[in-house]
This record gives sequence, C-alpha cells and structure tokens, in this order.
Amino acid sequence: DGGITQSPKYLFRKEGQNVTLSCEQNLNHDAMYWYRQDPGQGLRLIYYSQIVNDFQKGDIAEGYSVSREKKESFPLTVTSAQKNPTAFYLCASTRTGGLNTEAFFGQGTRLTVV
Amino acid sequence: GQSLEQPSEVTAVEGAIVQINCTYQTSGFYGLSWYQQHDGGAPTFLSYNGLDGLEETGRFSSFLSRSDSYGYLLLQELQMKDSASYFCAVRVGMDSSYKLIFGSGTRLLVRP
Repeated sequence: DGGITQSPKYLFRKEGQNVTLSCEQNLNHDAMYWYRQDPGQGLRLIYYSQIVNDFQKGDIAEGYSVSREKKESFPLTVTSAQKNPTAFYLCASTRTGGLNTEAFFGQGTRLTVV
Repeated sequence: GQSLEQPSEVTAVEGAIVQINCTYQTSGFYGLSWYQQHDGGAPTFLSYNGLDGLEETGRFSSFLSRSDSYGYLLLQELQMKDSASYFCAVRVGMDSSYKLIFGSGTRLLVRP
C-alpha cells in the first residue's frame, strides 16, 4: 500500500543535541513538506521541496535543516539552535501536477526535550 | 504575507448542521482544501475547491468564493465521530514552486 512513513513515533532529545526525523513516501510524489504542530494549534510550515536536490524555507525554518537526496525521502534535522523543539512534527507529500493538491500525511513524530 | 482565519471552536448537537468558515489573504491562490484531524492523529483530506461554488462529498460540502477570499465547510447530519479539528489550507505560488499553508484550525465538539 502506498503511503508516508515517519519514524520514530516518539523521540526524546536532550538539550544541545541534534536529532533527525525520518520521512519516507512511496506515492511517487514530487513535493514533500514538514510541518510543526503545537498543542491546540495549526500546522506551521518548516521546509518544503518540489524536486530532488532542491528545497525552500517555510515560515519557521530557523533551527531546522533538511535534505532531499532521493525523491522518496525528506529527513528533517532539529538542531540545537531550535530553542523550543518540543512539538508534533508532520511530514506530507503531494503531486505537483494539476490543481487539486491533496496532501497525504505521515502519522507524525512527537518530539520532547528532556 | 499569507494568512488564513478560522473560528477556534464550534459546538453542535448530534444530527445538526454546522458551517466552518475560512477567510484567506494570499497571493498566487490555487485552491482551498479542507482537512480533518482527530486528537493525536494525522490530518486527512476532506475536499478541494479550485473554482467558485459548492462541492459535495457525502455529508460534507465545501464552498469557495474567490472574489470574497472566503470558503466554508458544511457538515450535515453530525455524528459523534465528527468531533475533531478542521483545517482550511491554500496552495500558493506557481506550478514550479508552490507551498501548502494551513489555517490555525477549528475544533468541533459534537454533543449528544
């Protein structure tokens, strides 16, 4: 079955550590996105990528980094520069052709700083 | 900048009809979508409006007026399982480089 897989589901980070969240899709989608969701809040765009080896900053990119070396994969690194990283992180993908931009989401990674 | 406005919370009774509004201010608009998210889960796609008018999918309908930068999601015959957060989202930019941005969400509580 096609879909998006995020791992791990739960992640604990110590102060000053970098951590990487995995996102893999087998939907053959060109576009991939990372969103951050805080409790009771909406989805805020961190980074997005339309094509391999290219990505753009979203609204809250500071303290995060990404790579897009393969079409299927779009890992997100939360660096020590991100001062308040505790949140729910969601990865999504869409087709790039056509107007309907139905986004498919992974099940999310819940990151907690300890 | 880009912004989407939705009510933060709506309460309705089982079996009733509820409307969730969304106003947006964006550039390079390419359509309005709606997503449902249950607590702790991932958002799931409900509907898309690229042109003005009403789109119906079962108990859910969505409306768009591009001239008013406004849309809504209409949920009919409410069921308890419809208690969730609902997000409007817009695609902005150009085909070669666009992004999908979301509103802050409307929490719907369905009471018996």
